[in-house]
Amino acid sequence: DAGVIQSPRHEVTEMGQEVTLRCKPISGHDYLFWYRQTMMRGLELLIYFNNNVPIDDSGMPEDRFSAKMPNASFSTLKIQPSEPRDSAVYFCASSLGSSNTGELFFGEGSRLTVL
Amino acid sequence: GENVEQHPSTLSVQEGDSAVIKCTYSDSASNYFPWYKQELGKGPQLIIDIRSNVGEKKDQRIAVTLNKTAKHFSLHITETQPEDSAVYFCAASRDTGFQKLVFGTGTRLLVSP
Repeated sequence: DAGVIQSPRHEVTEMGQEVTLRCKPISGHDYLFWYRQTMMRGLELLIYFNNNVPIDDSGMPEDRFSAKMPNASFSTLKIQPSEPRDSAVYFCASSLGSSNTGELFFGEGSRLTVL
Repeated sequence: GENVEQHPSTLSVQEGDSAVIKCTYSDSASNYFPWYKQELGKGPQLIIDIRSNVGEKKDQRIAVTLNKTAKHFSLHITETQPEDSAVYFCAASRDTGFQKLVFGTGTRLLVSP
């Protein structure tokens, strides 16, 4: 398996623009997570899905952020409008709920810079 | 909610030395404690984990210890090698809610040849 695939790897945009980050989880995994990583706050869980249904979005910072999972093989994280403080690395991860380890498999991340 | 603190934030060792990273947690109900390694430009990757029914777990050069009474757990790397250089994250969650892992702030380990 190719692992969790994220795109784009790098995104530079101007304040006020819409940003869409994409994720393809590992086939067969039933959990999908979106994390944000910054130097100040470390790794923060934004939202996670189980079987394409959002379970907990309490980590989503504000209404400018939204996430969808229209099917088992695709998810998006959208920021509209973007602000400089949204600059971070955004990770998508997936896991298999029936696994006895609870291991998260992370993608390589999308580095977002908002000017 | 759970709060995980991790120390030190940076750690420099010579090749062959041992490295120890320590974490404390606040939620006494937490019972799943994984460690992730993040190499430059990559996503974090699980290297070892421990559950509260054991006090220590080893896998070759790495080991993790857990003290539930004191609510702290540690990662031990022996005979460090340059390829061990990375950022290491501890995390904690309730086993029934492993999905809500709370990560520590990370330790940047540098192993010098």
